[in-house]
Amino acid sequence: DQQVKQNSPSLSVQEGRISILNCDYTNSMFDYFLWYKKYPAEGPTFLISISSIKDKNEDGRFTVFLNKSAKHLSLHIVPSQPGDSAVYFCATSYGKLTFGQGTILTVHP
Amino acid sequence: ETGVTQTPRHLVMGMTNKKSLKCEQHLGHNAMYWYKQSAKKPLELMFVYNFKEQTENNSVPSRFSPECPNSSHLFLHLHTLQPEDSALYLCASSQEQGSYGYTFGSGTRLTVV
Repeated sequence: DQQVKQNSPSLSVQEGRISILNCDYTNSMFDYFLWYKKYPAEGPTFLISISSIKDKNEDGRFTVFLNKSAKHLSLHIVPSQPGDSAVYFCATSYGKLTFGQGTILTVHP
Repeated sequence: ETGVTQTPRHLVMGMTNKKSLKCEQHLGHNAMYWYKQSAKKPLELMFVYNFKEQTENNSVPSRFSPECPNSSHLFLHLHTLQPEDSALYLCASSQEQGSYGYTFGSGTRLTVV
């Protein structure tokens, strides 16, 4: 029973274009959502978060959107850069962090 | 040293060996976690310690034995593992259990042969 799902295992984008990573969750009690980024041979690092009382949070090139009725969140990266190539995990917090499977983003120069 | 440090970075062990993974944090956090990352699977929470007390064990087989002697150190003792236990083992810490800000270590890449 996977409570957080990232249905796209990989995404390939051209440099300068927008990257959109998606995440779905099942538990409407989740009240805080996070995105983590992971490079090979490193641990995940926190990227951006959003509380359930908001529907959008922006930090530089990164914007997270939350659609509570659809139980869906997305991460937009614009413009995408080659250094953004990594695995992106969405996570929800309700007493503990629950992660999705991750999406491998590749940004081509 | 700051952050969360895990040692060793890589470990190859036989199925009859006993080994330990170590995690150390200098962030003043009171909660520590062990996660397992297998290929194409979500990060799986294994154990949670809050103020040195184990508060969660997610049905982890007894061949994995955690130890938390103080809030700064966390160990994962391994014995009679199976090849399917090969994975990246990540340690994380947070201010306390339920806090949102997790800091992860770089992980130990474990291979069981």
